[in-house]
Amino acid sequence: ETGVTQSPTHLIKTRGQQVTLRCSSQSGHNTVSWYQQALGQGPQFIFQYYREEENGRGNFPPRFSGLQFPNYSSELNVNALELDDSALYLCASSLEGRFGETQYFGPGTRLLVL
Amino acid sequence: DQQVKQNSPSLSVQEGRISILNCDYTNSMFDYFLWYKKYPAEGPTFLISISSIKDKNEDGRFTVFLNKSAKHLSLHIVPSQPGDSAVYFCAASVNNNDMRFGAGTRLTVKP
Repeated sequence: ETGVTQSPTHLIKTRGQQVTLRCSSQSGHNTVSWYQQALGQGPQFIFQYYREEENGRGNFPPRFSGLQFPNYSSELNVNALELDDSALYLCASSLEGRFGETQYFGPGTRLLVL
Repeated sequence: DQQVKQNSPSLSVQEGRISILNCDYTNSMFDYFLWYKKYPAEGPTFLISISSIKDKNEDGRFTVFLNKSAKHLSLHIVPSQPGDSAVYFCAASVNNNDMRFGAGTRLTVKP
């Protein structure tokens, strides 16, 4: 059974650029949720994709967008990067749109915006 | 809006003693609460949970207590072990719609 993987592990971008982060869900899982964890804070829910459709969204602007592919892997895209977008981005996979203990988190992608 | 708060950024405990991590929340609609543990360079891993209809849930060395009237929950680890050293996050959800996390407490268990 393959766990949740994320790429890249680290990334440095400059303000105004665009970034794409990737997440491969655990084998058999059809749901991916994305979280932003700023320094000194807990993870904040960005959005969830279930069976290739957005299935809920947190309080993030539209420049945060996503995709889920037929194999249930997912991308998080952030346009017009701002300094405050510097954070650890976590994805978590699960089944049937669920949150909670059935979610398995990846190790995260650390994004630094200069 | 910080609906889930962990007011202690860090806690240091001697091996073998009890660790008590605290969490407060403001949203009375939360119906499910969870604790996660996070090691460096790894994602959070689920530790223990409790439904709002219960006031205690125990799993081995880990016990979570929920006080709904005070909007407070706590995680007890007895006895604490050096391998328990990690960041602990409290989280809560309403009807399985997203999850709200606290800022975390870094636990250090000294040998």
